[in-house]
Amino acid sequence: DTEVTQTPKHLVMGMTNKKSLKCEQHMGHRAMYWYKQKAKKPPELMFVYSYEKLSINESVPSRFSPECPNSSLLNLHLHALQPEDSALYLCASSQDRGAGGELFFGEGSRLTVL
Amino acid sequence: QQQVKQSPQSLIVQKGGISIINCAYENTAFDYFPWYQQFPGKGPALLIAIRPDVSEKKEGRFTISFNKSAKQFSLHIMDSQPGDSATYFCAASWDTNAGKSTFGDGTTLTVKP
Repeated sequence: DTEVTQTPKHLVMGMTNKKSLKCEQHMGHRAMYWYKQKAKKPPELMFVYSYEKLSINESVPSRFSPECPNSSLLNLHLHALQPEDSALYLCASSQDRGAGGELFFGEGSRLTVL
Repeated sequence: QQQVKQSPQSLIVQKGGISIINCAYENTAFDYFPWYQQFPGKGPALLIAIRPDVSEKKEGRFTISFNKSAKQFSLHIMDSQPGDSATYFCAASWDTNAGKSTFGDGTTLTVKP
């Protein structure tokens, strides 16, 4: 079983809704990531948090808003999404940002935007 | 510009055979090369990784071969099993201080019984 837990596993939302994806890890890792994955494509980096501070934002639209309340939790707040935002959203962690190559992924949240 | 090129896109192997997936990169600053395995409906899982100062790394039936001069690395799965059927992604970290990894496009492996 993965040590990175994501909720919910599935989410369906309308374009005017506000929802959040949640991620939790208890491995003591200090870097956490959000990735977006479309079908049959590799994961695409969205955000990187290092020691609870946002260190990388890969030019993600503002309708995606990340939050890191503490070293174990990572949220992704969603607002006014578009149908093309439908994808698998993956949370990952690594020991620290310097070990960014060794990523531990959660099982993902499958998002459908209607 | 894609920084890591992976081939083939799909691969069908008979049970007991050898599966080989190749990746090539351009950026010589890359210093960490992991392989991830992803089953349908699951997140990617780290399978095996190598650094450029090593030419080969073996873990069980999985081996990474690394050719620094050719800027290529490959995953070999010996005695392939139907349970190995999954999508495999190679990746490369171009700055271990940046927390970034770049992924290949993936290879869908099917092992026929």
